Amino acid sequence: EDKVVQSPLSLVVHEGDTVTLNCSYEVTNFRSLLWYKQEKKAPTFLFMLTSSGIEKKSGRLSSILDKKELFSILNITATQTGDSAIYLCAVFSKNRPGTASKLTFGTGTRLQVTL
Amino acid sequence: DSGVTQTPKHLITATGQRVTLRCSPRSGDLSVYWYQQSLDQGLQFLIHYYNGEERAKGNILERFSAQQFPDLHSELNLSSLELGDSALYFCASSAWTGAEGSPLHFGNGTRLTVT
Repeated sequence: EDKVVQSPLSLVVHEGDTVTLNCSYEVTNFRSLLWYKQEKKAPTFLFMLTSSGIEKKSGRLSSILDKKELFSILNITATQTGDSAIYLCAVFSKNRPGTASKLTFGTGTRLQVTL
Repeated sequence: DSGVTQTPKHLITATGQRVTLRCSPRSGDLSVYWYQQSLDQGLQFLIHYYNGEERAKGNILERFSAQQFPDLHSELNLSSLELGDSALYFCASSAWTGAEGSPLHFGNGTRLTVT
């Protein structure tokens, strides 16, 4: 069964700190890895990674994928209170030829940024 | 705003009852996904429809069923409800099911409480 594991489960940092969130996976026929941010309700899309070693960046957030070691990291620099949220990692995999890809989520890392 | 609309926002019902959750995908998106999110289990994939056809099934109970209509909106039917079915049910849509997958865009969810 496909598995996506995130660490740490929870993190409390001071505003201005840099954080690194981890995501490892064990899936059949990996297709891509996605990061989402979930505040109060709907998860919102951050990044989609398909190739190893190529960093995706958006403002203070960046992410990179290692397909050999089966993990990804999400970095947030100069954290702000507005970064407080649950960060979800998800992996698209394809179980069998002819079937649609399936998106499996990890349980998330809860980040709290304090003043 | 993701463009995905879910109704109702909240639903409170008794055990043994049946409910229908409704989802309208983003304009132009052909894929609709349903996820269940509970406190202890994170986002669990239920089912995926593409242009009216079922494409993938996750851990969806036999008491649950879904369909996607010609206008692309989707409904998730939950019957013989149990206390353990209380959760946040998300619908998500995406543009297409390419080889690498496409980012899912989530609605704000329907919070179901079974008493």
